[in-house]
Amino acid sequence: DIVMTQTPLSLSVTPGQPASISCKSSQSLLHSGGKTYLYWYLQRPGQSPHLLMYEVSNRVSGVPDRFSGSGSGTDFTLKISRVEAEDVGVYYCMQSIQLPLTFGGGTKVEIK
Amino acid sequence: QGQLVQSGAEVKKPGASVKVSCKASGFTFTTYYMHWVRQAPGQGLEWVGWINPKTGDTNYAQKFQGRITMTRDTSINTAYMELTSLISDDTAVYYCARSIFGWSWFDPWGQGTLVTVSS
Repeated sequence: DIVMTQTPLSLSVTPGQPASISCKSSQSLLHSGGKTYLYWYLQRPGQSPHLLMYEVSNRVSGVPDRFSGSGSGTDFTLKISRVEAEDVGVYYCMQSIQLPLTFGGGTKVEIK
Repeated sequence: QGQLVQSGAEVKKPGASVKVSCKASGFTFTTYYMHWVRQAPGQGLEWVGWINPKTGDTNYAQKFQGRITMTRDTSINTAYMELTSLISDDTAVYYCARSIFGWSWFDPWGQGTLVTVSS
């Protein structure tokens, strides 16, 4: 199975400050067809997860442009340029290049 | 767009079975895959498996093989997940989630169904 490792485990961020979450996979997520099968989800407190970013860097409609995704191969990063109160929750990366689909352990983002 | 609405919370005894439903609306049920993901209390997300509603084909995570069955009823746009021989470690919120293919992103997710296994 592909192991997804997220760091840090938690982040406490002052509103307006940036935040960065790392996700590393145990195998390359680059498919032979050229796409990289890495996604980011946010689970707000008490809610279901929802999709933020697909194929590394594509923001889902409605996701603010303060969110950006980058990376390639096995190393990926989700950045929030200016954290707002609505960004609190747990962020998960997920890979789908190989079954079983696997998630990172999550990064909890809190507001200071 | 689309919406997924799941059945309500369940409490089961060890050794019993549970069947959770996921009703789809707002999109053509048979043109997407339906995945199931679970989340134990205070823990992360764990993929359980998927079903192709068009064909009925399924793919399960190995750890659930032999205990999991995913089915669907296309007449009412509903997917089901049945887990048998329940143990306390199966206590979790179970989510259904839609994807375009068996290997693509999940969007949207259902609201989740809490399954509690307790004697």
